[in-house]
Amino acid sequence: EPEVTQTPSHQVTQMGQEVILRCVPISNHLYFYWYRQILGQKVEFLVSFYNNEISEKSEIFDDQFSVERPDGSNFTLKIRSTKLEDSAMYFCASSSSGQTYEQYFGPGTRLTVT
Amino acid sequence: GNSVTQMEGPVTLSEEAFLTINCTYTATGYPSLFWYVQYPGEGLQLLLKATKADDKGSNKGFEATYRKETTSFHLEKGSVQVSDSAVYFCALSDRSGGSYIPTFGRGTSLIVHP
Repeated sequence: EPEVTQTPSHQVTQMGQEVILRCVPISNHLYFYWYRQILGQKVEFLVSFYNNEISEKSEIFDDQFSVERPDGSNFTLKIRSTKLEDSAMYFCASSSSGQTYEQYFGPGTRLTVT
Repeated sequence: GNSVTQMEGPVTLSEEAFLTINCTYTATGYPSLFWYVQYPGEGLQLLLKATKADDKGSNKGFEATYRKETTSFHLEKGSVQVSDSAVYFCALSDRSGGSYIPTFGRGTSLIVHP
């Protein structure tokens, strides 16, 4: 069964460093998403991406964040200058349409900022 | 705005016990409701959904009924198994704002002992 993959599974970085989280969505999907979950808190939407541009973003997704689809398979989330409060689990998802219940999620990347 | 409230975990049960995980919501429009499950090391998977009042979503022995009058969508299973141990997320999607982006609860961890 096709699945969304994410790398790395755990990333440790120092405050102020740039990180790139990588996702490989399901191959025929057109819509891509990033979510995050700070430990013990809710899963929060960050950004959605369709047709090579951001289609929607939350207030969390400020200028420190960017997304890119550098080739036909990868979808990346970059955090330019990490802060302690960026420590969280980051989930990538993809879907073939914009319908919520068709989103397929990856296993997540745990980001720890020290 | 929209919000989802789930019961605090972890919920610890013995195999074959009855499970209820409470979920209540507030929404500005008429939402669709979902339960997602996350098994250890894996991404969130859609478990079941309901799109209108009194609908019952069901899958793998789990059920949840959309109760508009009590704004609830409680997850139930008559007899849990060790393999049901996972984190369960309640979520809603309200298209009234023109977006399908879901609002998630914090997740409830279920631990089932043999």
